[in-house]
Parts: sequence; C-alpha cells; structure tokens
Amino acid sequence: QITLKESGPTLVKPTQTLTLTCTFSGFSLNTSGVGVGWIRQPPGKALEWLVIVSSDDDHRHSPSLKNRLTITKDTTKNQVVFTMTNMDPVDTATYYCAHRPSQWGMPTPYFDYWGQGALVTVSS
Amino acid sequence: SYVLTQPPSVSVAPGQTASLTCGGNSIGNKEVHWYQQKPGQAPVLVVYDDSDRPSGIPDRFSGSNSGNTATLTITRVEAGDEANYYCQVWDDSTDHHVVFGGGTKLTVL
Repeated sequence: QITLKESGPTLVKPTQTLTLTCTFSGFSLNTSGVGVGWIRQPPGKALEWLVIVSSDDDHRHSPSLKNRLTITKDTTKNQVVFTMTNMDPVDTATYYCAHRPSQWGMPTPYFDYWGQGALVTVSS
Repeated sequence: SYVLTQPPSVSVAPGQTASLTCGGNSIGNKEVHWYQQKPGQAPVLVVYDDSDRPSGIPDRFSGSNSGNTATLTITRVEAGDEANYYCQVWDDSTDHHVVFGGGTKLTVL
C-alpha cells in the first residue's frame, strides 16, 4: 500500500524559503523509473506542477519557477525534500507530493498516489 | 509552453452522460491523464494513458483522445461524481515537464 505525507511549516513570511518533506511508504525511490513530484494548488484554483525527482536522480522543474525550486531524495529515509525560495503571498497554496509509477522500469507520465496535502500560507 | 484548455464548468442530470473535454495542440499525439478532486481532498487518478482505468475506478469512467481534443466521459452520472476534473499531459516537446489543465467543475443537477 503506497502512502505519502507532506510535512512542514503552515506559515512562512515573505522572502523566506519554504522547506517541505514528503515521507512515503510502500515503494522505493531506488526502483527504476519511479518518481516523486510536487504539485500545488492555490485556494480555489487549479493544480500547478512544480518539480519531480526520479530514481536515477533526474530532476525536472516547472519552467516558470525553475530558479526557485530544489528537490532532493533520501532513499534511506524514504523522503523527498522540496524547497522554494523567496516566498510571496501568491505562493499561498496546498502543496501535494505524489508518486509517479514506473512500468517495465520506465517512468510513466502520471501520478497514481497523492499525499493529503499541506496548506502553506505566506504572510507577514 | 504547452497549454491544456478545459471548460470551467459542465452540468449534467443524474443518470445522464457527462463529457469533459481537454483541448491542446495535437493532444492526440500525447497521452492524457485525468484526475478527480472533491472539495478538501487530494486528486484521484481516474483515467491514465488516454483510456485506462486504475483499479477501483468504475467503468462508468472512460477516456478518448484524438486530434486536438481529449475527452473524459462519465456515464450514468451519480451525485458522488460532482467534483473538479483535471487533465494532465507530460510535455516532452521542450524541457520535459508536467502540464495540468485549468480544471472543469462537474455539477450534478
């Protein structure tokens, strides 16, 4: 059974760096083709993909936010850490981590399991 | 970058069929995935690779994709299907990345 859970601050100040941790179980990020991504959703708005890390440590970032995002994986702890720099009130959103499965060792292009989400508010 | 266009809202009576569209340039050449999101909940994958269903998803949910439009079809709509639905593709045309549509709110009358 695959589960993921986001953890981190619920409130950050403008210009600060947001750090969120995704702790997962039921799969390994050592498995070829598997990945963990981060997606956010401002209140009342659509999903926005942010970043993904794969088992081979390949990273893909949203082109519009690339300069602000980093993602690292710790396969021994079954965790993925996400950071976003220079936070602004418009970054207020629920942040989700999600599992990207593999098929025959190759990455698939969708997310089949999601965490419950973490609401992050940016305010002074 | 690649853009996916979804109508903001669709309404359908219970028992009828809902067709939710997702438009994109030559989207028929890409694999499209659909997520259902109910208020206060995380998205749930309901269709992947244009027309496949994850285990546990009713066969009332189906997908198709051709030309510039992908469609999620929900037959025999139930009150519990009321939700936001998002389409998603992997854009490998430039700097490989994930793209979501703006979402469609399905209202069951």
